[in-house]
Amino acid sequence: NAGVTQTPKFRVLKTGQSMTLLCAQDMNHEYMYWYRQDPGMGLRLIHYSVGEGTTAKGEVPDGYNVSRLKKQNFLLGLESAAPSQTSVYFCASSLSPEPTGQETQYFGPGTRLLVL
Amino acid sequence: GQNIDQPTEMTATEGAIVQINCTYQTSGFNGLFWYQQHAGEAPTFLSYNVLDGLEEKGRFSSFLSRSKGYSYLLLKELQMKDSASYLCVAMDSNYQLIWGAGTKLIIKP
Repeated sequence: NAGVTQTPKFRVLKTGQSMTLLCAQDMNHEYMYWYRQDPGMGLRLIHYSVGEGTTAKGEVPDGYNVSRLKKQNFLLGLESAAPSQTSVYFCASSLSPEPTGQETQYFGPGTRLLVL
Repeated sequence: GQNIDQPTEMTATEGAIVQINCTYQTSGFNGLFWYQQHAGEAPTFLSYNVLDGLEEKGRFSSFLSRSKGYSYLLLKELQMKDSASYLCVAMDSNYQLIWGAGTKLIIKP
């Protein structure tokens, strides 16, 4: 089991360029999440998905789009990158949002994005 | 609003004990998590509390007081590898996670 993987690990973009971040999980989880983490701040939820073909907005959705065409994949798109989107992006997945007393969300290794 | 407060940075000595405090305000409550995050890595799960009291797991313990909106993470017999950020995370009534900014723990020999 690879768990949760993210592609790419690091990317530099120029303002206005577009890109797609890929998250894949092999645990058959229904729920998937995209977060961003900025210095001095907690993780902030961008978008999430409660199952194949569904997506929903999180706390900071502006400037991002997502798609969940296959259960195992959750894509995060930046249509026109801005310097404010420089951040570390984490994908996570869970079987259910309800806590079980153990690990609720499994995280990918992160994607470091720099927008110049 | 929903909010998590925890100290920005703490310093402790190898072999000692350190307590990292966290206060939270959420719309409803479905538990309190602690995560560890080493620099440049993803958060990893440490503990989960939903009932008042102390949960012990090896060198790490976590405490919760729901009436006070308060939790702490206790680390004993500190090792250099414990140098990391510790994230306090509360789950609200909609099962959304509210993340604290993290406490950077520096361990000195």
